[in-house]
Amino acid sequence: GIQVEQSPPDLILQEGANSTLRCNFSDSVNNLQWFHQNPWGQLINLFYIPSGTKQNGRLSATTVATERYSLLYISSSQTTDSGVYFCAVASDSWGKLQFGAGTQVVVTP
Amino acid sequence: GAVVSQHPSRVICKSGTSVKIECRSLDFQATTMFWYRQFPKQSLMLMATSNEGSKATYEQGVEKDKFLINHASLTLSTLTVTSAHPEDSSFYICSAISSVEQFFGPGTRLTVL
Repeated sequence: GIQVEQSPPDLILQEGANSTLRCNFSDSVNNLQWFHQNPWGQLINLFYIPSGTKQNGRLSATTVATERYSLLYISSSQTTDSGVYFCAVASDSWGKLQFGAGTQVVVTP
Repeated sequence: GAVVSQHPSRVICKSGTSVKIECRSLDFQATTMFWYRQFPKQSLMLMATSNEGSKATYEQGVEKDKFLINHASLTLSTLTVTSAHPEDSSFYICSAISSVEQFFGPGTRLTVL
């Protein structure tokens, strides 16, 4: 099956800092989504981005499908950005998502 | 975005009993729903694909007789953990596709004593 690698595994940021999270995948995909899992376990949809660039407030994402990677940018980080960020991809017609291991982000005041 | 609910949010049961978890799409219809399991400090692992009106398809290594899935309507899928054991304790999360994007329920934390 498709392999999904996220880096870095852990990230500690001071409030106000910017950061970039990376997701590499091993095959072509028809779906790529970024999620934020909050401390209660809820996955929050950040982006649906199988290709191209999107922005939503302080967050933006870029997927370069031909090179099989996606980047999530967090600007002016806030303590509420803390949590685990997951990249997930699908390559079949069912839409089954394969998740990466996640990046644990801690934003300190 | 689309909303997916799960019930219950937490359940504690004795070893050997069965537990049913409900997953509902609240503002859209979902012909396909998915069930995932997440152990502490780990990622989500897909257990099965739930298809409305037909049998679920299970991922390799997931026991279909232990994790019974029913998708009887376009807004409801249920996961029943039969004869639960302590090793089944985990965080179970469902999802559904709205348009092309997957949306996730808040999860159910199962503890088997």
